[in-house]
Order: sequence, then C-alpha cells, then structure tokens
Amino acid sequence: GAGVSQSPSNKVTEKGKDVELRCDPISGHTALYWYRQRLGQGLEFLIYFQGNSAPDKSGLPSDRFSAERTGESVSTLTIQRTQQEDSAVYLCASSVDRNTEAFFGQGTRLTVV
Amino acid sequence: QQQVKQSPQSLIVQKGGISIINCAYENTAFDYFPWYQQFPGKGPALLIAIRPDVSEKKEGRFTISFNKSAKQFSLHIMDSQPGDSATYFCAASPSGEQGAQKLVFGQGTRLTINP
Repeated sequence: GAGVSQSPSNKVTEKGKDVELRCDPISGHTALYWYRQRLGQGLEFLIYFQGNSAPDKSGLPSDRFSAERTGESVSTLTIQRTQQEDSAVYLCASSVDRNTEAFFGQGTRLTVV
Repeated sequence: QQQVKQSPQSLIVQKGGISIINCAYENTAFDYFPWYQQFPGKGPALLIAIRPDVSEKKEGRFTISFNKSAKQFSLHIMDSQPGDSATYFCAASPSGEQGAQKLVFGQGTRLTINP
C-alpha cells in the first residue's frame, strides 16, 4: 500500500476485555515499531520487530501486552484484560530497515470504559 | 537517562515570525535527532533530522541547530505560516543492535500560527 495502515481507527472496549490492534506496514519494510501516545504526551516506544522477530520488547508496559508479526508483514498488538490506563492512541511505524526513516500510520484510538 | 525534555509545551507565533522549539537530552549514546510534525488525527511525519557530526541542518524554512557539548537541539521555523500549526515532537535514538529507530520522544509542542 501507499502508507502504513492501521485498523481499527477507533476502538471502544469495556474494562477487562481483550483487544487486538492491527498494523499493515509499507510493503518491503523489514522494521516495524509500535508506540503508544497518551493524551497530551509524547510517544512511548513499545516494541520493535526486525522481520518476524522482536529483538526489543523493552517498552511493553506489562505482561498483558503482546505483539506478533507474520510474513514479515502484518503485525498485531494484543492487550489482554484492558484497563482504563490503557486508553491511548497506539501508533505503528515501519522502515526499510532499522537505520532508515520510520513512517507512521494514523494510529488506533483505544478507549477503555 | 532515556528522557528527552522539550519546551515550550505550547507556542503562539504571528504569521511571518520565527518559531523556536528546544529539546535537551542526557544519553550520550543518542546519535540521531529527528523532528516530527503531527496534525490532529494523523500520525507523526518526519520533518527534518540531524546527526551529531554537523551543528546545523536546513531544509527550506526549517532548521535544526545542534549543540553537542550542551546536549541540546532546537527547531527553527522561519517565516511561520498558519499551515505550520501542528504539534511538533523532537526525538532521539541510539545507534546499535537494538534498533536505530528506537525513538525517545519529547513531550511535544503545540504550535499555533496566528494569521
């Protein structure tokens, strides 16, 4: 595709439910990143994929958060047993490799009620 | 050590004026310093970036000034236009095996250019 695509754009979920957020990176981009942006805050790094493996998961805030990537393409970020503090915009970015510019998607706005 | 501190939080500039946003960092392993522009409802877009081997980089109306000894860098927007109104984020990342793009972001500056 022309850019990084994320779905859904918006997600409202009840506290305690699991959610899955999807990222379709730019075709051919081997590096993929997930960030979280809380209201009025900067972006927090969550996880980095190189191909299908994740050499850096250091930003995942708890074991309720997990992510996978398949086919060196689509990535899914899963949040289990969602809490209100998980409410944020989740942004995905991809780059040709780890040394080149990262392009961001438009984000998924998650609201936990 | 991983923080990047950005100021001001918000900035109002008259059309045609110069907008200046500042960032400071602690981690000397950082060697890539990009600035991102974000419009409401959109993801951040890379505006301009610098590495520490130069003290200044200019692209059109946008200039990054970098002071390695002070561990500070700033974005200058010359002849600011209403279309420049957006939130600007500075960021920094270290090189190395863990990913050159593991960006550490500043808190953001909401810039408003008055017509």
